[in-house]
Amino acid sequence: GAVVSQHPSWVICKSGTSVKIECRSLDFQATTMFWYRQFPKQSLMLMATSNEGSKATYEQGVEKDKFLINHASLTLSTLTVTSAHPEDSSFYICSARDGQLYNQPQHFGDGTRLSIL
Amino acid sequence: DAKTTQPNSMESNEEEPVHLPCNHSTISGTDYIHWYRQLPSQGPEYVIHGLTSNVNNRMASLAIAEDRKSSTLILHRATLRDAAVYYCILRTGFQKLVFGTGTRLLVSP
Repeated sequence: GAVVSQHPSWVICKSGTSVKIECRSLDFQATTMFWYRQFPKQSLMLMATSNEGSKATYEQGVEKDKFLINHASLTLSTLTVTSAHPEDSSFYICSARDGQLYNQPQHFGDGTRLSIL
Repeated sequence: DAKTTQPNSMESNEEEPVHLPCNHSTISGTDYIHWYRQLPSQGPEYVIHGLTSNVNNRMASLAIAEDRKSSTLILHRATLRDAAVYYCILRTGFQKLVFGTGTRLLVSP
C-alpha cells in the first residue's frame, strides 16, 4: 500500500530555533500534500495544503511566515517552523494524496512530535 | 462542509463485533463517506470509504443507510489493537479531509 514517511519522528529544541520536518511519499507521486497539527487530546487541525510546484494554501489563522511549506517535488514536502516557541510544541502530521486518482484515500505519516523548551 | 456526528466513546470486549455509528444528515449527493482511525501516537490510518452501497475490505465493513444520512463502521472481531479514535468524514473528490472529534473505541480483554 501507499506509504508516507515523515522525519524526524520527534525533536526537542530551544526556543528561537527553526525546525524542518520532511514528508516523503515512497511509492506514489503526491501531487498534493497536507500538513496537520494536533494538540493533546484534540483532533487533527489542517494547517495547509500544498500542490507540487505551487505556493501552499494556508487555513485561516495559520501564519504562513511562521510555518513555511515547500513542495518542490512529487515525493517531498517540508514544513519549517521558524523561530519556534513553546506554544508551537505539538504533534505535526503530514498527509499525501495521489492526485491522479479521484476520491482516493489520503495517506498519513506517523507524525513528528515537536517540543520547544 | 457537511458535518458528521459521532459518539465520543464506545467500549467493546475483545473478539466481539463493534458497530460504530455516524450521522450525516446534511450529506450531499457527491459526498463519499470516509473512515479513518488513529492509534495512540500515530498518524491516522485509512479504514474504508463508500458512496451508496455497503463496502467490505480486510479491515472492516461499511454499512450505509438507504437515505445516506447515516452509516456504520463494523469491526467484525475487535482486538486490542483496534483501540483507537475512529473518524467518520465526508469528502467529495479532491477535497481536503477535515477531521471532527471522532469516537474513542476502548477494547477490553
